[in-house]
Amino acid sequence: DTAVSQTPKYLVTQMGNDKSIKCEQNLGHDTMYWYKQDSKKFLKIMFSYNNKELIINETVPNRFSPKSPDKAHLNLHINSLELGDSAVYFCASKVSPERGDTDTQYFGPGTRLTVL
Amino acid sequence: QQQVKQSPQSLIVQKGGISIINCAYENTAFDYFPWYQQFPGKGPALLIAIRPDVSEKKEGRFTISFNKSAKQSSLHIMDSQPGDSATYFCAASITGGFKTIFGAGTRLFVKA
Repeated sequence: DTAVSQTPKYLVTQMGNDKSIKCEQNLGHDTMYWYKQDSKKFLKIMFSYNNKELIINETVPNRFSPKSPDKAHLNLHINSLELGDSAVYFCASKVSPERGDTDTQYFGPGTRLTVL
Repeated sequence: QQQVKQSPQSLIVQKGGISIINCAYENTAFDYFPWYQQFPGKGPALLIAIRPDVSEKKEGRFTISFNKSAKQSSLHIMDSQPGDSATYFCAASITGGFKTIFGAGTRLFVKA
C-alpha cells in the first residue's frame, strides 16, 4: 500500500528532450508538492497544488510545467531538458491546512533524472 | 535567504555514541518544527516533530529539544547505530500555510 508513488524511478535522457514524471497519492490529501534535490541533498520546493489549484510556484524555469488532473495526482512535465536539470525529483503530499493542523509532508520515493 | 540553518553538514559518530544536529530558525512566525530522516534512495520521512510550547520531545532514542527564545532546536540520537546512518533535515513551517522550509541537511554516518 504505497502512500505516495512516483513513476518512473529512474529517467535517463538526452539534452533537449521532453519528459514527464507522474505522482499519485492515496492518502486523501489535498495538497501536493514537487521538490528538487540536488547532489548536495538540498531540498528545493518547486511547486505546490491545493485542491488542484497552483498555490506555490517558486523561481523555476518555465520549461517545467506541473499539472494536477485531480487531487490525488500531480504530474511534472519538463521541456527541452538541460544538463542542470539532473537531480532527484520528489513528490510530496499533506493534509490541506483547512482540514487539519498537522503539517507533516509525506514524500514519494523520488525520480532520479539524468540528462546526458 | 536561509530561514532554517542546519549544522553540521556531515557527522561521523561511533556506534553507541550520541549524534547531535542543530538547527536555527530566523522566522519567529514558525510554529511547527519537524525533523525528517532520509535513507539513500528513499524519500524523506517524518522522524519527530515539535511545537514551540514544548521544550523537549522524545521518541525512543531520538529526542528533540527546542529553545523558543533562542529560536533553536537540536536533535539528539542516543546510542547511535549503523542503521541510523542517513541524511537528517530540520524544517519549519507556519500552521495554516503551505510552505515548509527545509534546512540543508546533515549526513550522519555511524561507524560500527
